Amino acid sequence: EDQVTQSPEALRLQEGESSSLNCSYTVSGLRGLFWYRQDPGKGPEFLFTLYSAGEEKEKERLKATLTKKESFLHITAPKPEDSATYLCAVPHSGGYQKVTFGTGTKLQVIP
Amino acid sequence: DTGVSQNPRHKITKRGQNVTFRCDPISEHNRLYWYRQTLGQGPEFLTYFQNEAQLEKSRLLSDRFSAERPKGSFSTLEIQRTEQGDSAMYLCASSSILNTEAFFGQGTRLTVV
Repeated sequence: EDQVTQSPEALRLQEGESSSLNCSYTVSGLRGLFWYRQDPGKGPEFLFTLYSAGEEKEKERLKATLTKKESFLHITAPKPEDSATYLCAVPHSGGYQKVTFGTGTKLQVIP
Repeated sequence: DTGVSQNPRHKITKRGQNVTFRCDPISEHNRLYWYRQTLGQGPEFLTYFQNEAQLEKSRLLSDRFSAERPKGSFSTLEIQRTEQGDSAMYLCASSSILNTEAFFGQGTRLTVV
């Protein structure tokens, strides 16, 4: 069964203090890995898709990387508006119709 | 707004009542998904449609749950004889056959009292 584990569960950063969130996964035949951002009371917002080990993608202060066992979401010089829960997810080995999510990392950036 | 639209945003119902939620996907997307999310957890897959065909259902989807997507456009999720354990955020997402990532709606928050 596909498993996704995210750490830490919660992270509190000062504005400008860079850090990384971790997503480790167990899946038979990785078909990709997704990162989403979720604000309280809202649906997840798509950030990145990574397809193969060594791939990196960036968007503003966020950079996602992928290895054969885990993915990192690096946050550089975060701002309070980056506060949210960050979710990673992997598609089922049989296809993209079913995706398994981790429980997320709740990030709080303090001014 | 061309995103995924869900209605209602909030629903409070008494235990034992039936409820129905609607999802309007992004217009050119032929794949539609339903997920359920409880507090502190990630979304859990419930079911998947490609056009009007329901191709996969999770074991989480008990007999009290039914989903439809007539004509491959909007979708409805019905829960019969609601239980307190059904209280959750119900999320709908859609994707195109050309792209792997799914785009989510804002969800319907169900509270069963």
